[in-house]
Amino acid sequence: RKEVEQDPGPFNVPEGATVAFNCTYSNSASQSFFWYRQDCRKEPKLLMSVYSSGNEDGRFTAQLNRASQYISLLIRDSKLSDSATYLCVVIVTGNQFYFGTGTSLTVIP
Amino acid sequence: EPEVTQTPSHQVTQMGQEVILRCVPISNHLYFYWYRQILGQKVEFLVSFYNNEISEKSEIFDDQFSVERPDGSNFTLKIRSTKLEDSAMYFCASSGRNRNTEAFFGQGTRLTVV
Repeated sequence: RKEVEQDPGPFNVPEGATVAFNCTYSNSASQSFFWYRQDCRKEPKLLMSVYSSGNEDGRFTAQLNRASQYISLLIRDSKLSDSATYLCVVIVTGNQFYFGTGTSLTVIP
Repeated sequence: EPEVTQTPSHQVTQMGQEVILRCVPISNHLYFYWYRQILGQKVEFLVSFYNNEISEKSEIFDDQFSVERPDGSNFTLKIRSTKLEDSAMYFCASSGRNRNTEAFFGQGTRLTVV
């Protein structure tokens, strides 16, 4: 059973669109949650941490639903530069990060 | 801005040879990690290291692999007797003074075993 599951996409959206990604995790003891972004053949880069109360950073909004064990990422007013793979990352216990397979986003002009 | 640095950026080695991948984590971080990503696949956890010892490791991290922090700054991954299937991008990461905080990744070493 996978610790973290994501819809791999791809999502192809026009510039200016709003797009949402979901991620589910299997272990109810999971403690910390993050969204990372990965460009082709580059390292994962932290986009934002996900807090129980939800959090927003500019055009990006992250939500956590512990009861349903899912995390979401909403991107508003998509830019061409948002094209990347978005990785859902969960820490269960200790300090092992579990990565989802990633969701591919392409923003089209 | 502090960053994790990895060397070399690309390593080509013959099957059966040993390789050492090097990393310099962010200086005040206490937790260190190695991950790998086979082309087209997801990022996979290999090992975490804290207080000069392995704190967790995955099934991938078998006797072929070892890690070391030989001095106060470097963190190395050694792969003995490399196999073709070890070809992947290897990422080093570090995280701060508290558990469960975000990790920062180096740019990776692309290992190609021929």
